[in-house]
Amino acid sequence: DAKTTQPTSMDCAEGRAANLPCNHSTISGNEYVYWYRQIHSQGPQYIIHGLKNNETNEMASLIITEDRKSSTLILPHATLRDTAVYYCIVRVRGNTPLVFGKGTRLSVIA
Amino acid sequence: NAGVTQTPKFQVLKTGQSMTLQCAQDMNHEYMSWYRQDPGMGLRLIHYSVGAGITDQGEVPNGYNVSRSTTEDFPLRLLSAAPSQTSVYFCASSYLAGTSGRETDTQYFGPGTRLTVL
Repeated sequence: DAKTTQPTSMDCAEGRAANLPCNHSTISGNEYVYWYRQIHSQGPQYIIHGLKNNETNEMASLIITEDRKSSTLILPHATLRDTAVYYCIVRVRGNTPLVFGKGTRLSVIA
Repeated sequence: NAGVTQTPKFQVLKTGQSMTLQCAQDMNHEYMSWYRQDPGMGLRLIHYSVGAGITDQGEVPNGYNVSRSTTEDFPLRLLSAAPSQTSVYFCASSYLAGTSGRETDTQYFGPGTRLTVL
C-alpha cells in the first residue's frame, strides 16, 4: 500500500500557483519524498524529491514540514500543460521500487 | 539518447496466447522495472532488476516472467494471456543512487504498451 495520502483532484487557474498537498505521517528517517506526474496516460515524469530541506528546481518547489509528516509541491505558474495526475511517493533512495498511489488529478483551467 | 523505448505500442491478444513486451534503454542504467496501470488506477510494480542477471518480483508478478541478460534490455513475457492482464504496461530505468558516484536515482519511463486480451 502507498504510504501517502493525497486529495483526489484539484483545480487551478492558469498562471496561478498550484499547491498540491501530501500527507506521509509514517515516513521513516531515511525515506525521501518524491513527486512524479503523468500527463494523459504517458509514462510518469520525475519532478522533484527531497529529504527534509525545501527543494527547488526548474519545474517546481517542494516544501517539507519540519516534522516531515507532510509536504507540498508547488508549481509556481501553472499552465494548461501542467494538467496531469501528480503522485507523491516516499521511499528509501537506491534500488527500492516506486510505489504509486492514485495521486491527485490537477486540472489547470484557462 | 533515445531514452526508454517500448515495443509494441499496441497489442491485442487472445486468451492463452503468449507474447513478449520489449523494453530497451540507452542510458547505461543499472535499475529497470515493469509496471502495469489499470484504468483509473496508479501504477503497480510487476518485476524489477538491479543489474544484468538479477531480477526480483514486485507487487503483481503472477503470470509474468522477466530476464535481464544485458544492461540495455529488460523484456517482459506473458506466459498465457488472460483478460485480467488487459492493461497499459510501462517500463522504467534509472541509475542506482550512490553507485559510481552518481547521486541521482531518477526513474525514466517509456511511453507504454497498451495491451488488450480478448
